[in-house]
Formats: sequence, structure tokens, C-alpha cells
Amino acid sequence: NAGVTQTPKFQVLKTGQSMTLQCAQDMNHNSMYWYRQDPGMGLRLIYYSASEGTTDKGEVPNGYNVSRLNKREFSLRLESAAPSQTSVYFCASSEMRQGGNQPQHFGDGTRLSIL
Amino acid sequence: SQKIEQNSEALNIQEGKTATLTCNYTNYSPAYLQWYRQDPGRGPVFLLLIRENEKEKRKERLKVTFDTTLKQSLFHITASQPADSATYLCALERGGSYIPTFGRGTSLIVHP
Repeated sequence: NAGVTQTPKFQVLKTGQSMTLQCAQDMNHNSMYWYRQDPGMGLRLIYYSASEGTTDKGEVPNGYNVSRLNKREFSLRLESAAPSQTSVYFCASSEMRQGGNQPQHFGDGTRLSIL
Repeated sequence: SQKIEQNSEALNIQEGKTATLTCNYTNYSPAYLQWYRQDPGRGPVFLLLIRENEKEKRKERLKVTFDTTLKQSLFHITASQPADSATYLCALERGGSYIPTFGRGTSLIVHP
């Protein structure tokens, strides 16, 4: 069982470069999320997609865009990378159900450094 | 917005003892509270979920309590083992929001 797969695992960029982080899940979950995790800050939600065809901003969306390509895939794009975006990025998926949410399943992250 | 407090200092305990981790919150009372484990270089892994109308939940050596009066959840690991060493995150979710807010996590170190 692959679960949630993120690519790449590591990436170094120069300021101003762009890149797309890829995420795919094989659990047939409706909802997908992108977080960043910084030392002392915990997990902060960047964007989420409650279902295929919808995306919404989270707590820290500035500088990012997302695409829910299909039910399985949710990508995160940095159009013009800045050093402040150096972080570990996690993708997660879950089911959103009325009357009770389900746990999130996380990938192992993309470690992104911007010089 | 919801503020979640987890002890930023690592908790060091001896193998075999019970580890107790704390998650305090302010503002609204969450409908659901979840605990996750995170190992270095890995993503968080779900452990337990407790609802606001539940006082306690158990799973093997794990126990979670939820006190909406104190605005606090306690996470216990009994008979702790070095393999339990990790960072433990709590996550709170408001009813109807479907989006959890995560705490910063507490590092647990179990010494043999």
C-alpha cells in the first residue's frame, strides 16, 4: 500500500525559480491537503481540496497555487520561490464526512531549500 | 482563531514508565481531537481520535482523555519503550469545519 506519495523528496531552488510539488493518494479519499512544517511553528495549512474540482485557501496561501488534477492527485506550485518558503511540505488526504471527520494520512514530505 | 499549546520541551522518561503528554487549547471547544505520531524525516501518523462527548479513549498501550472544562487533552503511553520515542502532535477540529488545526508537538524520549 503506497498511501500518499510525494515527489520529489528533496529539492534545492534559487530565489525566483518555480517548481511544482506532486502528491498522489491511492486510498480513494475525497479530500487532500498541503501543509508546511517549520521548526517551532508546527503544521500550517496552505491549501486544501475538499473534493475533486474544488480548492480553498488555508492559513498561509500566499506565494502558492494548487491544482486538483483528479481525485488522486493534488499539486502545489511555487511560481517565484523565496527564501521564506524554505520548509518541509506535507501532503495529506482524508475523508470529509458529516457527523465525523476521518484521520488524515500523510506523505513523507518534500524538503525544499531556497537559496 | 484556535490556539493550541503543547509542551515545547522534550519529555524524557525511563523505559517501563508511563508517559503523559498535554495538549491545551483556548477559544472554542473542538468537536474532535486527534493525536498523531511523527518520526524524524517522516510524515505524521494517526494514532487516536476522541470526540467532545467522550471522556476517554484507549488503544492498546495508548490512552487519551478529553476534558472540555479544563480545555485539555492528555495522551498517555503506558509501559513505554524506546521505540515510542518520537514527536507527538495533537490536532483539534471544530464541528463542521473538517479542517484540523495542529499543535507544534512534544518530543518524547524514552531511555532504556
